[in-house]
Amino acid sequence: AQSVSQHNHHVILSEAASLELGCNYSYGGTVNLFWYVQYPGQHLQLLLKYFSGDPLVKGIKGFEAEFIKSKFSFNLRKPSVQWSDTAEYFCAVNAGGGNKLTFGTGTQLKVEL
Amino acid sequence: NAGVTQTPKFQVLKTGQSMTLQCAQDMNHEYMSWYRQDPGMGLRLIHYSVGAGITDQGEVPNGYNVSRSTTEDFPLRLLSAAPSQTSVYFCASSSDRRNIEAFFGQGTRLTVV
Repeated sequence: AQSVSQHNHHVILSEAASLELGCNYSYGGTVNLFWYVQYPGQHLQLLLKYFSGDPLVKGIKGFEAEFIKSKFSFNLRKPSVQWSDTAEYFCAVNAGGGNKLTFGTGTQLKVEL
Repeated sequence: NAGVTQTPKFQVLKTGQSMTLQCAQDMNHEYMSWYRQDPGMGLRLIHYSVGAGITDQGEVPNGYNVSRSTTEDFPLRLLSAAPSQTSVYFCASSSDRRNIEAFFGQGTRLTVV
């Protein structure tokens, strides 16, 4: 069965700091990868997604993620965070073209002024 | 566009009561799913449907029933509520069973006392 690991549970950064959130998945075949964001009190929104092609994908609000197949990783990055990026971030995988989206446990990001 | 609409937003139940969480989407999506979100556990799939008349179990189906009589609606029924079902419930829909882009509802916060 597919699984997703997010090793950073809580991250605190100052504004303008760079961000990298780790995501590793366990599945040996073809995967579709996603990052979702949940702002306080809101529903999940798609940040970016990877299906195939260029392993560096760009999403909304200046976020990007890199798919490294050899490391089974899909880390999320942002060069300079803003206070408004305070939210919970979820990595998710859809493995083998199946019907299920498996989520990681989430990373709570707090950006301080 | 309303997207995915969930009702109610908040609910308190007594142990043993039953209720139905409503989910409707107006995007003509074939794929719909229900997740529960618990602290430190991310989102876990309860049930999903790949089209009207077709449902299947996810990761944590016990205590929940679903049906899909129309493309638009995918209600989640709690048969006999238990405190362990206290959670935030999210409904999601996608035009593709691989969840290429899943749209989430605003969530239902359920407390079972």
